[in-house]
Amino acid sequence: DTGVSQDPRHKITKRGQNVTFRCDPISEHNRLYWYRQTLGQGPEFLTYFQNEAQLEKSRLLSDRFSAERPKGSFSTLEIQRTEQGDSAMYLCASSYNRGRDGYTFGSGTRLTVV
Amino acid sequence: ILNVEQSPQSLHVQEGDSTNFTCSFPSSNFYALHWYRWETAKSPEALFVMTLNGDEKKKGRISATLNTKEGYSYLYIKGSQPEDSATYLCAFPNAGNMLTFGGGTRLMVKP
Repeated sequence: DTGVSQDPRHKITKRGQNVTFRCDPISEHNRLYWYRQTLGQGPEFLTYFQNEAQLEKSRLLSDRFSAERPKGSFSTLEIQRTEQGDSAMYLCASSYNRGRDGYTFGSGTRLTVV
Repeated sequence: ILNVEQSPQSLHVQEGDSTNFTCSFPSSNFYALHWYRWETAKSPEALFVMTLNGDEKKKGRISATLNTKEGYSYLYIKGSQPEDSATYLCAFPNAGNMLTFGGGTRLMVKP
C-alpha cells in the first residue's frame, strides 16, 4: 500500500465548470475524510465516510459540494458550478476507526478557479 | 464549533536553536489531541496522538506534552535543523472523530 492517493494534484478550471476529485485511501482503513485548506488556515472538515456510509455532511460548504464512496473504497468529491472562492487545497485522509495513530493524509488536490 | 488555537503563527529560528509552540483546545469533552507536520508539497504527517493528561511523547528531536485540565499542548523541537521547516498543526477530535485543526505554526529554520 503506497498510502493515500489523490488525483489530480492540480486542477485549473473556469468559473461555472464542474470538477471532480478522487481519493484512494489505505485499503485497511474504514474511515475516509475530506478537508479543505485555504492559505494561512488549518484544514477545514467537509465530510466523512465510514465504509460506504456518509456519516457527516452538514459541513459541506454548499449544495454545490457532494461526495461519494460507492463501494467503501475510493471516494470522489464533486464541486458543481465552481466559483473563485472554491480555490483551495482539497485534502483526503483515511483512518482505521477513530485513528488511534492519527490520520493518513494524501498530498491534496490544488484547485484554482479562474 | 470547537476553538483550537495555535501560537505563534510563524517562527524563524537559526539552525541549532531549540523552539516550542503552543496549541490550546477546549478542556471539556476531551478525547485526544493530534499533532501533524506538513512540509511544502507533501502530505501532512502524523507526529503524535495524545490521550492522557500529563502525557509526554517523543520522536527523535521532537517531543510534545499535554495538559487536558487547562486545555493546552506544547510541541518542542530540540536543535532545529533546516529539514524541520514545515507547518505544524494540532487538531482536536469531537465525539464523531471529526478533527478540528488549529491554524498551524509555520516554522522556518535558517542554515
